[in-house]
Amino acid sequence: QVQLQESGPGLVKPSETLSLTCTVSGGSITNNYWSWIRQPPGKGLEWIGYIYYSGSTNYNPSLKSRVTISIDTSKNQFSLKLSSVTAADTAVYYCEVGGYWGQGTLVTVSS
Amino acid sequence: EIVLTQSPGTLSLSPGERATLSCRASQSVSSNYLAWYRQKPGQAPRLLIYGASSRATGIPDRFSGSGSGTDFTLTISRLEPEDFAVYYCQQYGSSPLTFGGGTKVEIK
Repeated sequence: QVQLQESGPGLVKPSETLSLTCTVSGGSITNNYWSWIRQPPGKGLEWIGYIYYSGSTNYNPSLKSRVTISIDTSKNQFSLKLSSVTAADTAVYYCEVGGYWGQGTLVTVSS
Repeated sequence: EIVLTQSPGTLSLSPGERATLSCRASQSVSSNYLAWYRQKPGQAPRLLIYGASSRATGIPDRFSGSGSGTDFTLTISRLEPEDFAVYYCQQYGSSPLTFGGGTKVEIK
């Protein structure tokens, strides 16, 4: 079965750009919709957006102006960039496909 | 945007009891594209039900989903120790995809 693993810095400064990568194993990235979802500490889940393997994207309007999701089929990876971060962007970030989730990575926004 | 409201916020039950969780949508969920997840502390959510009533791979039959349109239910027929957790519903029929606020099932 497909396995997902998030990676990236655990600490980002305010106003900077958060960058995460999800590495896919056990399956090909050349199909399906690949999502990013986040969960602030002690709170609920928020869908950030997804990318189709062809490169088309769909973002949550609440984050759309700051989000870019991209895909690298040669590396079986897809990535998230969130710009101009604030403390409100502190969360566990998950990548997901078809109900399979990565373990999540905590990103803290702090100076 | 479809708003999902889960109730109750907290459910206090004993192992072996039946749990009934509700998820109500602010508008009809397209094609009944409604999923249920269980999240244990410190873990990622695990998919239980998709398409409102189909069990995901490896999910025991004590979990069942029902409903259509705007009203959906997750039923756990007999609570096992690992079922005391937080449950989320999610609709994936309309963009943006949205989640409910969660129901915590705790040991009474």
